[in-house]
Amino acid sequence: DTGVSQNPRHKITKRGQNVTFRCDPISEHNRLYWYRQTLGQGPEFLTYFQNEAQLEKSRLLSDRFSAERPKGSFSTLEIQRTEQGDSAMYLCASSSPEINSPLHFGNGTRLTVT
Amino acid sequence: EDKVVQSPLSLVVHEGDTVTLNCSYEVTNFRSLLWYKQEKKAPTFLFMLTSSGIEKKSGRLSSILDKKELFSILNITATQTGDSAIYLCALLRGSGSARQLTFGSGTQLTVLP
Repeated sequence: DTGVSQNPRHKITKRGQNVTFRCDPISEHNRLYWYRQTLGQGPEFLTYFQNEAQLEKSRLLSDRFSAERPKGSFSTLEIQRTEQGDSAMYLCASSSPEINSPLHFGNGTRLTVT
Repeated sequence: EDKVVQSPLSLVVHEGDTVTLNCSYEVTNFRSLLWYKQEKKAPTFLFMLTSSGIEKKSGRLSSILDKKELFSILNITATQTGDSAIYLCALLRGSGSARQLTFGSGTQLTVLP
């Protein structure tokens, strides 16, 4: 499967714990995005990388959230001191360098904070 | 602030029916409008629309954009149960390196046998 891969698929954690998610984009894609989706809503943009550079961050991304893409390939999204409001589906997407290339999404990591 | 409004929020039809899903938007610097289909997991890309009045077609699905009236429609003809999904409309805003999509809340389509 050469699509966007996300791990883990599901994560249940207790409030206050830290969690880390991983995303492996499509190999020739240099752009990588993180989105968050809650029930009944469309995905909301969190952050965007072009190669290893983090070029945009949403106001939604509090200081408890950090994302990295150290070698311009896979990315990690860490949430520190999780809160119940962090429960959501975290989607990763990637796109190629061409102008107006569409985003291709992974299957997401579903986070439940108890 | 960019805004994407989809209607209806949900729709229940029978196999063979034709459906039209609507997406209206407000954006300061339009680049393109995208449609995605989301079943249980990842949104899968359907269409990208950049120019007004040019219909994009893929099998039983088609879509068109009206940049003057700021809306797009997604048509599905001869619906099948496998078309049951959430259909998401998203805006890609222009300028510089900006690549974030602004999504609507989606239309939940249920096709009954």
